Amino acid sequence: NAGVTQTPKFQVLKTGQSMTLQCAQDMNHNSMYWYRQDPGMGLRLIYYSASEGTTDKGEVPNGYNVSRLNKREFSLRLESAAPSQTSVYFCASGLSEQFFGPGTRLTVL
Amino acid sequence: DQQVKQNSPSLRVQEGRISILNCDYTNSMFDYFLWYKKYPAEGPTFLISISSIKDKNEDGRFTVFLNKSAKHLSLHIVPSQPGDSAVYFCAASALSGAGSYQLTFGKGTKLSVIP
Repeated sequence: NAGVTQTPKFQVLKTGQSMTLQCAQDMNHNSMYWYRQDPGMGLRLIYYSASEGTTDKGEVPNGYNVSRLNKREFSLRLESAAPSQTSVYFCASGLSEQFFGPGTRLTVL
Repeated sequence: DQQVKQNSPSLRVQEGRISILNCDYTNSMFDYFLWYKKYPAEGPTFLISISSIKDKNEDGRFTVFLNKSAKHLSLHIVPSQPGDSAVYFCAASALSGAGSYQLTFGKGTKLSVIP
């Protein structure tokens, strides 16, 4: 039982490049989430998906897109990366209690 | 406008003593509160939670207290151990219209337990 897994663990991009962060959960949760954590800022919600086929914006959605591929998988895409998107990204699943993946550390140069 | 506030960025406690981490919130719609623990280079792990209908929840060495009238909650760790050294995030949730819960996090408090 792996819980929430994320790939990749680390990534360095140049400004303007695109990439997709992958997330999968094996806990049969309907809801999945993407957060970013910046130094001294706590975690902020980017997008969430209440169930397969639905997605909604969170607090900081600009510059991101998401896809809920199926019940297990929820991906986050940066179409044109900017230095302001340098952060640690966490995927989570669950309802009132959310379970987090290990994170992806992204640097945009 | 920060809806969940942890006003102490750091806290140092002697091993064996009590650690008290505090959290304040402003949104009256929050109905469920959680504490997460985070080690460096790892994701946050769920520690303990409390519903707004309760004022106390206990799990081993960890107790969370909720004062709804003051919009304040606290996490007590007794006795504190060196392995408790981590960043602790307070989070509050409310049910969204989409049927999902959105968590709002505080900025975290770094707890250091000194042997």
